[in-house]
Amino acid sequence: DIQMTQSPASLSASLGETVTIECRASEDIYSNLAWYQQKPGNSPQLLIYDANSLADGVPSRFSGSGSGTQYSLKINSLQSEDVASYFCQQYNNYPFTFGSGTKLEIK
Amino acid sequence: EVQLVESGGGLVQPGRSLKLSCLASGFTFSNYGMNWIRQAPGKGLEWVASISSSSSYIYYADTVKGRFTISRDNAKNTLYLQMTSLRSEDTALYYCAKLGLGYFDYWGQGVMVTVSS
Repeated sequence: DIQMTQSPASLSASLGETVTIECRASEDIYSNLAWYQQKPGNSPQLLIYDANSLADGVPSRFSGSGSGTQYSLKINSLQSEDVASYFCQQYNNYPFTFGSGTKLEIK
Repeated sequence: EVQLVESGGGLVQPGRSLKLSCLASGFTFSNYGMNWIRQAPGKGLEWVASISSSSSYIYYADTVKGRFTISRDNAKNTLYLQMTSLRSEDTALYYCAKLGLGYFDYWGQGVMVTVSS
């Protein structure tokens, strides 16, 4: 199984800041990576797919990058509505696996 | 608008069975693979099972293989998860999710399953 190591586990940043969340796969996943946002009490929502493609309706301040085993999610100009947990997920192979999540708070 | 509505959750004793359903609308259900994903209270996400559009391909997480069965009825736009021999570690919020090209592009609101005596 492919292990997804996500960091940091939690993050506190100020409004307007730029934050980055990292995800490392245990083997090459060929950009078959998605990022999800889960706001408190809600279901996860797709943010990014294919490592760097923005899902419909997602603000452009979110971006994804990476290749091989290393991937990142960047949030520019942090807004209060970005308070959430963020998860990466690989879909290169079954079983699909998720990172352990990053909880983002506003300082 | 894509909608996925799960039902069938509840409190069940260890070793017993439960069947979850997910009613889909707003897209051509029979054209897409579907999944179950779960989230234990306060924990991360765990993929549980996948089924292809015509039920030809089915995959399970090792943690549920042999105990859970995913199925679908395309005429009823409904996805199912039959869960048997339930354990306390199966306690979680179970989400139904539509499969894009490997990623999950739409999620339901989830249904809670609690396994406890």
